[in-house]
Amino acid sequence: EAGVTQFPSHSVIEKGQTVTLRCDPISGHDNLYWYRRVMGKEIKFLLHFVKESKQDESGMPNNRFLAERTGGTYSTLKVQPAELEDSGVYFCASSVRVNYGYTFGSGTRLTVV
Amino acid sequence: DAKTTQPPSMDCAEGRAANLPCNHSTISGNEYVYWYRQIHSQGPQYIIHGLKNNETNEMASLIITEDRKSSTLILPHATLRDTAVYYCIAPGRAGTALIFGKGTTLSVSS
Repeated sequence: EAGVTQFPSHSVIEKGQTVTLRCDPISGHDNLYWYRRVMGKEIKFLLHFVKESKQDESGMPNNRFLAERTGGTYSTLKVQPAELEDSGVYFCASSVRVNYGYTFGSGTRLTVV
Repeated sequence: DAKTTQPPSMDCAEGRAANLPCNHSTISGNEYVYWYRQIHSQGPQYIIHGLKNNETNEMASLIITEDRKSSTLILPHATLRDTAVYYCIAPGRAGTALIFGKGTTLSVSS
């Protein structure tokens, strides 16, 4: 079984630019989550999809962040325009059910300079 | 979410059992307790979860007290590769995503 795939693995962009992160969940997993870890901080929840619907987006920091999951398969997280404080590692996870083990991807390390 | 409290760090000798405690005194009757770990900068890894009964899998055992106010994750024979940050999570409402806290940094040494 293929795991959760994220790409790119690393991205370095300048402040003000746009970056799009992609997550391919495990096939058949209706639940997809985005988290991020800023240097020295805790892993923070961003949002939760159930199929193509946003179940909970309470963790999205501001309107510069836009997540989509068209068709209920892969998901994208776009940051536009990027700011220095957006730097960190963005993790995606998927699960069959919410109250079940999540499988995380390896993350995308975003550096905004 | 139910608040969980974990010690910030613990040490364990290689080959010995690592017992990681977690307090979740405000947990409600239908909330599961989940354990994850993050090794270095990798993605968090699911370990185990439980509701009332003790659970065991190939990675670890989970002991939950009868009043469900605390639990202990047991790694029976810790190895150097078990050095990681371990997170105890008790999510709130049914259907809500997991929220990570500060966790316990476990250091396994030879």
